[in-house]
Amino acid sequence: DTEVTQTPKHLVMGMTNKKSLKCEQHMGHRAMYWYKQKAKKPPELMFVYSYEKLSINESVPSRFSPECPNSSLLNLHLHALQPEDSALYLCASSPEGQLSYEQYFGPGTRLTVT
Amino acid sequence: SQQGEEDPQALSIQEGENATMNCSYKTSINNLQWYRQNSGRGLVHLILIRSNEREKHSGRLRVTLDTSKKSSSLLITASRAADTASYFCAVWMDSSYKLIFGSGTRLLVRP
Repeated sequence: DTEVTQTPKHLVMGMTNKKSLKCEQHMGHRAMYWYKQKAKKPPELMFVYSYEKLSINESVPSRFSPECPNSSLLNLHLHALQPEDSALYLCASSPEGQLSYEQYFGPGTRLTVT
Repeated sequence: SQQGEEDPQALSIQEGENATMNCSYKTSINNLQWYRQNSGRGLVHLILIRSNEREKHSGRLRVTLDTSKKSSSLLITASRAADTASYFCAVWMDSSYKLIFGSGTRLLVRP
């Protein structure tokens, strides 16, 4: 299995909802990442987990809460989001923790906050 | 802060022509990578060039790196309609253990 999967593909949520995004990889990679991408902009790093420990938090608002239950799974819990949080959320993984360079991306979750 | 700046922002060419995209960055890097993104989808890694390399090839792709000018270029030869996508350069900095993406070039290949 050489891919990163993300669910759901699309998500519409209200500002008072709680939802979660899920990312999974079975390539044995030891680092996993969350990026946020607005239309016609580059991906912006949000969080990095290396060997299941949070190693980078790019000053992301607390309404975004990451979780790495095991080395194959990465979640992003969402609560009380704002309309400006609407974006494509991308998950990625890399083989050897943060010392790896090449990243493998999932197809993304398109999030709309109403 | 954004490290990579790309130009042009958008490029439209005829199928069969070559496409060249440029990327500039600001600080010392370990390597520079190029990724492709089809509309609204995930990114696909194309090629990685290390700071001690000057040129690298992969199929129809040719990447150059000039560390003295802090710039890189991606050449796609004999373009196809399927090459239509956004292309991002990304720099890896050992100082931060992060991959920082450039602003991207949107390529349209007309059949």
